[in-house]
Amino acid sequence: AQTVTQSQPEMSVQEAETVTLSCTYDTSESDYYLFWYKQPPSRQMILVIRQEAYKQQNATENRFSVNFQKAAKSFSLKISDSQLGDAAMYFCAYRRPGMDSNYQLIWGAGTKLIIKP
Amino acid sequence: DTEVTQTPKHLVMGMTNKKSLKCEQHMGHRAMYWYKQKAKKPPELMFVYSYEKLSINESVPSRFSPECPNSSLLNLHLHALQPEDSALYLCASSPRQGSPHGYTFGSGTRLTVV
Repeated sequence: AQTVTQSQPEMSVQEAETVTLSCTYDTSESDYYLFWYKQPPSRQMILVIRQEAYKQQNATENRFSVNFQKAAKSFSLKISDSQLGDAAMYFCAYRRPGMDSNYQLIWGAGTKLIIKP
Repeated sequence: DTEVTQTPKHLVMGMTNKKSLKCEQHMGHRAMYWYKQKAKKPPELMFVYSYEKLSINESVPSRFSPECPNSSLLNLHLHALQPEDSALYLCASSPRQGSPHGYTFGSGTRLTVV
C-alpha cells in the first residue's frame, strides 16, 4: 500500500527567508501524481503545486517550488521569501491515476508552518 | 467562478436532529467529494460522486447520507449523529474522477454534535 510521510510536525521560519518542507512516499507504481496543499486557519484546502511523476522537471509556482527525486521517492516543497500569509498546515498527497477508491488521494500527516515576523 | 461554496460555515446539532450540509460549484466539474477532517489530521474521504452518481462510499455509517441533485450541487444529510462525528466537513470537486489535476476544496462546515 502507498504511504506518505511528512517527518516534520512543525517548522518555523523568519519572514523573507526560505524554508523547505519534507515529504517522502512509498509506492511501487511508476506513474502517479504528487501534490502539496496548504490549509490556513481559514480552513480551505488550497492546492499549492502538483507534480506528475513522468515529468523530470521540478514544478514551480511563483515562490513555491518542489524538489522531486523519483528514485529516492522524495517530494520536498521549498518556499522562498516567506510571507506571513504562508502560515498554514501543509499537506503532501499522492495519487495514482485511475478512478476507484484505490486511486484516491493519500495524505501525509501534515506540517504546521509558522512564520516569525 | 473558480470556487467551491459550502454552507453553513458552522453547525451545532443535537444527536436527534436532522440537518444538511450543502456544497456548490459552477466550474463544470463532474466529480465531487465529501471529506471529514479531525483537528490536526489530514482529510478522510467519505464519498465520491461522478456524473451525479455515487461512485465511492468509504464504508461511511448510514447516519451520513449523500445526495447529488445536479452537476453543481452536493448535499450531505445528517441524522442521529454521535459526538465523535464532530469535525470539519470539506467538499471538493475536480473536472473528472481520476483527473490528474488537484481538487478544488471549499472552506468546510465546522460541525459540532452535542
